[in-house]
Amino acid sequence: GESVGLHLPTLSVQEGDNSIINCAYSNSASDYFIWYKQESGKGPQFIIDIRSNMDKRQGQRVTVLLNKTVKHLSLQIAATQPGDSAVYFCAENMGNYGQNFVFGPGTRLSVLP
Amino acid sequence: EADIYQTPRYLVIGTGKKITLECSQTMGHDKMYWYQQDPGMELHLIHYSYGVNSTEKGDLSSESTVSRIRTEHFPLTLESARPSHTSQYLCASSGSTGSNTEAFFGQGTRLTVV
Repeated sequence: GESVGLHLPTLSVQEGDNSIINCAYSNSASDYFIWYKQESGKGPQFIIDIRSNMDKRQGQRVTVLLNKTVKHLSLQIAATQPGDSAVYFCAENMGNYGQNFVFGPGTRLSVLP
Repeated sequence: EADIYQTPRYLVIGTGKKITLECSQTMGHDKMYWYQQDPGMELHLIHYSYGVNSTEKGDLSSESTVSRIRTEHFPLTLESARPSHTSQYLCASSGSTGSNTEAFFGQGTRLTVV
């Protein structure tokens, strides 16, 4: 079909290094943010979320940082593994009665051996 | 594993045919969504629903239509498929109105119109 939008930027990292994926969100009223991982041929899967009353949240090997001042979100992956190769999307939601999730353009993470 | 299912996973169909992509969830979620995604590209919202008998168009214009007669079911229909409709279609659902949880995605339907 006719493609719409932007081709995804790519981040290449060596196996074992840390990865940092960045995302700028659009709406200062958004108060809930999520990072998704999408492997080839699959639907996006939830990785980690953060609410606007926090600036950092840690999961297993992943950390999300939120900077509301500049409307910036980042995902840090520690000790990147080949299985981390995927497309990563951030999503924002404007609270309990937000219409829908607004997705960022996505970043393709490629892990080099 | 999320309890949201899409069928078929893959569909190749001729131009002019009517098709319906199925999406069902067993989580009791009020909100459901359809996204269109070309390979290596962004996710674009084409339809969403707040609950039964609620349907809204999303950010990306689409010739498809949706219906929400039951909470668990949110089918998407193309009355007359064209090659420009070739894409991946992803269905998602999220928590009930008043709650704020992540959206759960199905595995997607990859549609090819020849």
